[in-house]
Amino acid sequence: DTGVSQNPRHKITKRGQNVTFRCDPISEHNRLYWYRQTLGQGPEFLTYFQNEAQLEKSRLLSDRFSAERPKGSFSTLEIQRTEQGDSAMYLCASSYPKKSSGNTIYFGEGSWLTVV
Amino acid sequence: AQSVTQPDIHITVSEGASLELRCNYSYGATPYLFWYVQSPGQGLQLLLKYFSGDTLVQGIKGFEAEFKRSQSSFNLRKPSVHWSDAAEYFCAVEGDSSASKIIFGSGTRLSIRP
Repeated sequence: DTGVSQNPRHKITKRGQNVTFRCDPISEHNRLYWYRQTLGQGPEFLTYFQNEAQLEKSRLLSDRFSAERPKGSFSTLEIQRTEQGDSAMYLCASSYPKKSSGNTIYFGEGSWLTVV
Repeated sequence: AQSVTQPDIHITVSEGASLELRCNYSYGATPYLFWYVQSPGQGLQLLLKYFSGDTLVQGIKGFEAEFKRSQSSFNLRKPSVHWSDAAEYFCAVEGDSSASKIIFGSGTRLSIRP
């Protein structure tokens, strides 16, 4: 079990550029989540997948944001035409819910985005 | 929809003293409840979770939490804190339906006084 892996860990980009983050979940985890966290705040839900299906998207996820999980394994989060307000840490998490033990969610180390 | 309130933004305790961090949730049915810890610039580490059964849950690093349905609370406790416990602590709730997501509170920052 290698844990949830995210890359890049840090990204500095100019306003208006596109950025893409990748998340590799714990193998065999069927659920994958994306959250955004700004300084001093708790993680805010963005979206989640069950296998390759995107089951829910937050209203925080504007049209400039798109997430995919094409084969039900890794996922990408793309932000188009970045704005300074997009600067945050983007957290990925995964889980495999079980009837016997519920849903235990494991987080990656996060990807920091700075838009200048 | 579920929600979480952590009423204390920042708490300072002396090393060796006991700790209690408060968490109140709002959800109409049986919730799943979690506590996570986050060190600066790092991801979140799960301390413990309540799924069902015993309402007193033991976690890692000597932490425990008690689910009190009547008070809609899930407070985190530790009998004796260590300087390494200084971090941000997040309470989270998930509904019990198959389509629920996990919602986090705004966090409590814990500082340890030597």
